[in-house]
Amino acid sequence: NAGVTQTPKFRILKIGQSMTLQCTQDMNHNYMYWYRQDPGMGLKLIYYSVGAGITDKGEVPNGYNVSRSTTEDFPLRLELAAPSQTSVYFCASSHTGGRSYNEQFFGPGTRLTVL
Amino acid sequence: QKEVEQDPGPLSVPEGAIVSLNCTYSNSAFQYFMWYRQYSRKGPELLMYTYSSGNKEDGRFTAQVDKSSKYISLFIRDSQPSDSATYLCAMSPYYGGATNKLIFGTGTLLAVQP
Repeated sequence: NAGVTQTPKFRILKIGQSMTLQCTQDMNHNYMYWYRQDPGMGLKLIYYSVGAGITDKGEVPNGYNVSRSTTEDFPLRLELAAPSQTSVYFCASSHTGGRSYNEQFFGPGTRLTVL
Repeated sequence: QKEVEQDPGPLSVPEGAIVSLNCTYSNSAFQYFMWYRQYSRKGPELLMYTYSSGNKEDGRFTAQVDKSSKYISLFIRDSQPSDSATYLCAMSPYYGGATNKLIFGTGTLLAVQP
């Protein structure tokens, strides 16, 4: 199993450009998440999905959109990139939530710079 | 007040030292407590998790939860240079049919000097 894969690894965008960060998992997990990590700020949840066709906002959703058409893929779309979106983006997945904790598995991250 | 507070460090210790990493939190609904380890330029990986109060040991690592004080700790015994990483605490409340959302601390950067 490759686990959670993300592409690209690095990207530089100009202000106002758009892009899609790709995330794929091969563990047949229902739950998927997008986080951003800024220096000294920890991980902030952007969007999450509990299954194909179902998405919901996290703590910091403004400026982003997501879709979940399959169990495996959970792309994150940035429209009209702004310097405030410069960050490291992590995708994660987990098995069902249920009444116990299930480990979240993280991808290697995408480093995005908006200039 | 942040829901989860964590000393950012950096923390530098000699090889073999005992390391103590800590987080405090304000939300009494948190039931699950986790420690993630993140090596430089990598994604976080789960190190340990505990449910409710108490201790949990795994090799050189011990996780401790004190819900009455809203305080969690991770102890690393006989620290090694390979333990050098950022350690993130994370917490989750109990829900039926939970979405498994986590609240993360800001992370503590640990350097173990050989």
